[in-house]
Amino acid sequence: QKEVEQNSGPLSVPEGAIASLNCTYSDRGSQSFFWYRQYSGKSPELIMFIYSNGDKEDGRFTAQLNKASQYVSLLIRDSQPSDSATYLCAVTDYGQNFVFGPGTRLSVLP
Amino acid sequence: GAGVSQSPSNKVTEKGKDVELRCDPISGHTALYWYRQRLGQGLEFLIYFQGNSAPDKSGLPSDRFSAERTGESVSTLTIQRTQQEDSAVYLCASSLVRSIGGNTIYFGEGSWLTVV
Repeated sequence: QKEVEQNSGPLSVPEGAIASLNCTYSDRGSQSFFWYRQYSGKSPELIMFIYSNGDKEDGRFTAQLNKASQYVSLLIRDSQPSDSATYLCAVTDYGQNFVFGPGTRLSVLP
Repeated sequence: GAGVSQSPSNKVTEKGKDVELRCDPISGHTALYWYRQRLGQGLEFLIYFQGNSAPDKSGLPSDRFSAERTGESVSTLTIQRTQQEDSAVYLCASSLVRSIGGNTIYFGEGSWLTVV
């Protein structure tokens, strides 16, 4: 059974702080890793993906991947109240099977 | 189409009735996924299609649930004899399967099902 684990939260950070969201996965054959954001009552939307070890930056977002530790994280710099949402980690092998974590609820306090 | 299209967007049905949910994936996307999300819960995988074959049906919760796909286009998810626990949003997603990287899946807006 392929599993993806996340801390359910809620994770509360003050506006302007760095939010750090973590995800671990069980399948060593996983190749691609995704972060989705889901606002209440809406469908998930892609923030970014990563498939090489190391960091990948996109604006205020940085994804970090460590395949040896089977760990992927998302950092949100200068957090804004509009970042308050549930963040879903997803893992796939060669696109055959997307497995989502349960999500971490982030609350950015003004 | 420009995005994943799902219909109906909302459906209220009586317990015991059958419902059919439709998904039209992004044009050219060969992979199609159905997920269920109950209120306040995470995504529950139901079924995955590669083309019109379903290599992974492991998530279908019971034999009341079935799904099919015509070629590499529209898919329908059918729930027979609906129960109140079937109330959820049913999310469809599609992706362009490539060898590595960028296998992003894109979600539709979901079909909100309420069984009364």
